[in-house]
Amino acid sequence: DIQMTQSPSSVSASVGDRVTITCRASQDIGDWLAWYQQKPGKAPVLLIFAASSLQSGVPSRFSGSGSGTDFTLTINSLQPEDSATYFCQQANTYPLSFGGGTKLEI
Amino acid sequence: QLQLQESGPGLVKPSGTLSLTCTVSGGSINNITYYWAWIRQPPGKGLEWIGSVYYRGSTDYNPSLKSRLTLSVDTSKNQFSLRLTSVTAADTAIYYCARHPARWEVFDSWGLGALVTVSS
Repeated sequence: DIQMTQSPSSVSASVGDRVTITCRASQDIGDWLAWYQQKPGKAPVLLIFAASSLQSGVPSRFSGSGSGTDFTLTINSLQPEDSATYFCQQANTYPLSFGGGTKLEI
Repeated sequence: QLQLQESGPGLVKPSGTLSLTCTVSGGSINNITYYWAWIRQPPGKGLEWIGSVYYRGSTDYNPSLKSRLTLSVDTSKNQFSLRLTSVTAADTAIYYCARHPARWEVFDSWGLGALVTVSS
């Protein structure tokens, strides 16, 4: 099974800052990676797929990069509504697996 | 607009069977482009993919749950279902139903989630 490791587990930032979250896969997954945002009491929302493709309706301040085993989610110009937990997910191999999450506080 | 809604008992006894149904509205479950999936999240913890089912009935299961798990589809009702046997407290979680494209196993639409507690 492919293990997904996110860092940091939590981060605190201010409105207008830029934040980067890292996700590492235990083996090469190409660009088969997605990022989700989850707010308390809500279901996750897809932000990015194929490592760097922005899902329709997602603000352009969100971006993703990476391939192989190392990936990043960058949020530019942080807004108060970006306070949430962010998860990565590999879509390369069954069983599908998620990172442990990064809690972003603003 | 596609909507998914989980339904089922919120409390299951240890060693019992957990059964949930996801009703799809605003779209057809017969869509050849998509698979239908279950994901769970223990309170305050991370996400675990349970399994996915295609409208024709083919399935992919998480090996960690495979021996206890059955996923099925009822196209006449536009629903798909989860059945997990021999549950323990470790199966207590919010259970989400979701959709992913057949070519890309990423979840682009989710239900609201249903909390299932395993307790006597």
